[in-house]
Amino acid sequence: QSALTQPASVSGSPGQSITISCTGTSSDVGGYNYVSWYQQHPGKAPKLMIYDVTNRPSGVSNRFSGSKSGNTASLTISGLQAEDEADYYCSSYRSKTLYVFGTGTKVTVL
Amino acid sequence: EVQLVESGGGLAQPGGSLRLSCAASGFTFSRCAMTWVRQAPGKGLEWVSTVSTSGGSTYYADSVKGRFTISRDNSKNTLYLLMNSLRAEDTAVYYCAKDARDGYNFDYWGQGTLVTVSS
Repeated sequence: QSALTQPASVSGSPGQSITISCTGTSSDVGGYNYVSWYQQHPGKAPKLMIYDVTNRPSGVSNRFSGSKSGNTASLTISGLQAEDEADYYCSSYRSKTLYVFGTGTKVTVL
Repeated sequence: EVQLVESGGGLAQPGGSLRLSCAASGFTFSRCAMTWVRQAPGKGLEWVSTVSTSGGSTYYADSVKGRFTISRDNSKNTLYLLMNSLRAEDTAVYYCAKDARDGYNFDYWGQGTLVTVSS
């Protein structure tokens, strides 16, 4: 059961925009609109940031947005802030398995 | 306020067993599927197991299939994970997560409980 592929790290300066990719297959990311994104600060539990590819839960900043093209989903953080420095994980429904997570991306604010 | 509180973690020997619990409150537990996710030290998140609202359907990652058993007691608002035949690679923080009512995502998470498998 292979994980979805994410870049190990992405960095940006305050105020900039960054994008994190999440690549899967037609059995997961490409086949269903059930991609979600989670933010995890060190020593803390993950927090849902985006669900169903593009939707933001109540309380999540509109600086976070999601999209998908083919087998690759993306999370964009606009107006990068110091508090956005964290690990980010994508997740998708996967047929015959149920769920799969991405490899994770460390976001650094320069 | 939704709360998920895990317990039962600790040190176990290889080949041993542990049972994790997750006490839920602040939502209608019986109407939500529930999931265990783990994170090995310094590693990423790994989906472990999911149980349906009634407990009648269960799903497992290949890495734990045949060794772990997920269950729930809706009368006690509690989720369980029985872990048998533990291996060193099962060492991780285990998170309890609430599945969203519609869709496939986890809208609330517990703080996690650490399981260490070592002799």
